[in-house]
Amino acid sequence: EAGVAQSPRYKIIEKRQSVAFWCNPISGHATLYWYQQILGQGPKLLIQFQNNGVVDDSQLPKDRFSAERLKGVDSTLKIQPAKLEDSAVYLCASSFTGTGTTDTQYFGPGTRLTVL
Amino acid sequence: ELKVEQNPLFLSMQEGKNYTIYCNYSTTSDRLYWYRQDPGKSLESLFVLLSNGAVKQEGRLMASLDTKARLSTLHITAAVHDLSATYFCAVKSWTTNAGKSTFGDGTTLTVKP
Repeated sequence: EAGVAQSPRYKIIEKRQSVAFWCNPISGHATLYWYQQILGQGPKLLIQFQNNGVVDDSQLPKDRFSAERLKGVDSTLKIQPAKLEDSAVYLCASSFTGTGTTDTQYFGPGTRLTVL
Repeated sequence: ELKVEQNPLFLSMQEGKNYTIYCNYSTTSDRLYWYRQDPGKSLESLFVLLSNGAVKQEGRLMASLDTKARLSTLHITAAVHDLSATYFCAVKSWTTNAGKSTFGDGTTLTVKP
């Protein structure tokens, strides 16, 4: 079974530029998550999708971050414009469901973003 | 707000020794997870603990949950070098955190020969 795919793996941009990350979840997984992991910290949930609807985006800085999940499969996360404090690893995860005993999350390899 | 604290944050231990990592959380939990992260890699699920008194074991790792004390432990038995990694606990709560998982800051374990 293929895992969660993310691209790119690394991205270096200057502040005020825009950047987009892509995620392809495990086939059949209805729930998709985007996390931000700052060096030395645990992942922080940015947004959670159930199919193509948003379940929770309470910690997403909506003035600069946006995310979509078209057709309930792939997802993109965009930052526009980027700030220095956005430097982090952006992790995508998916689970079969968001609740119940099948909510174990499977994580992708992450995208390491450096903002200069 | 749900807070999750792990300790210690850094742990250096000798091969063959035993040790315990602690995960404390501030409100009621519905589920507790342990993950492993190798340097530069993503998170790998180790255990899911569903109820008070739950205990799960895989190889040299054993996780337990005490919901009354709001505490989970990850016990390492006879450590080997391959266990060197960062271990995260995460707590999911529907009543206090709308079903989101909140992660601790991780415990970085280094096992020395």
